[in-house]
Amino acid sequence: QKEVEQDPGPLSVPEGAIVSLNCTYSNSAFQYFMWYRQYSRKGPELLMYTYSSGNKEDGRFTAQVDKSSKYISLFIRDSQPSDSATYLCAMSGVTGTASKLTFGTGTRLQVTL
Amino acid sequence: DVKVTQSSRYLVKRTGEKVFLECVQDMDHENMFWYRQDPGLGLRLIYFSYDVKMKEKGDIPEGYSVSREKKERFSLILESASTNQTSMYLCASSLSGELSSGNTIYFGEGSWLTVV
Repeated sequence: QKEVEQDPGPLSVPEGAIVSLNCTYSNSAFQYFMWYRQYSRKGPELLMYTYSSGNKEDGRFTAQVDKSSKYISLFIRDSQPSDSATYLCAMSGVTGTASKLTFGTGTRLQVTL
Repeated sequence: DVKVTQSSRYLVKRTGEKVFLECVQDMDHENMFWYRQDPGLGLRLIYFSYDVKMKEKGDIPEGYSVSREKKERFSLILESASTNQTSMYLCASSLSGELSSGNTIYFGEGSWLTVV
């Protein structure tokens, strides 16, 4: 079983929809959580960073961490065709060491007109 | 903005060739990383470096070596390329080794390597 599980999709939604992207994990030591967006044939770019539990909002994006359920989510409001990309979750343990970052395999999102 | 530049975006090499992938970052970051990304497997860490001339093995170092002679430059070397090394290679950097809201990993655009 992988430490971090992520549904590969593709997830197809109409423009303007609210999108929910999720990751589950098994390592209770994870404390640092990130979401990356990766366009086709490009490198991942950091979208959201959260530490421990709770919510964090940035524009149309909200990251949510539920450590009791070992579940993290990224919500995208008013989705746009430009949001079409693969979204990767990433997490690290107590020491927060960058070299120990564990990535999900990514969920491909398609936002249609 | 952090800029991580991978000079070769698309390469086709023959089995047994020695391959160099170059990466440069412009933000004076201490740490640099090489990952490979494969469908269904996600990103896997090959090697990382926390200082000039220092390197540490990641999760899948076999068949690879690295070089960091200058702080801004980190090279990935495939000594004898094989077809199972066909993949997308991502270079990344971070200011330091400890994650925080002000220190996360920044990626380059990727190098697509095909070994035939």
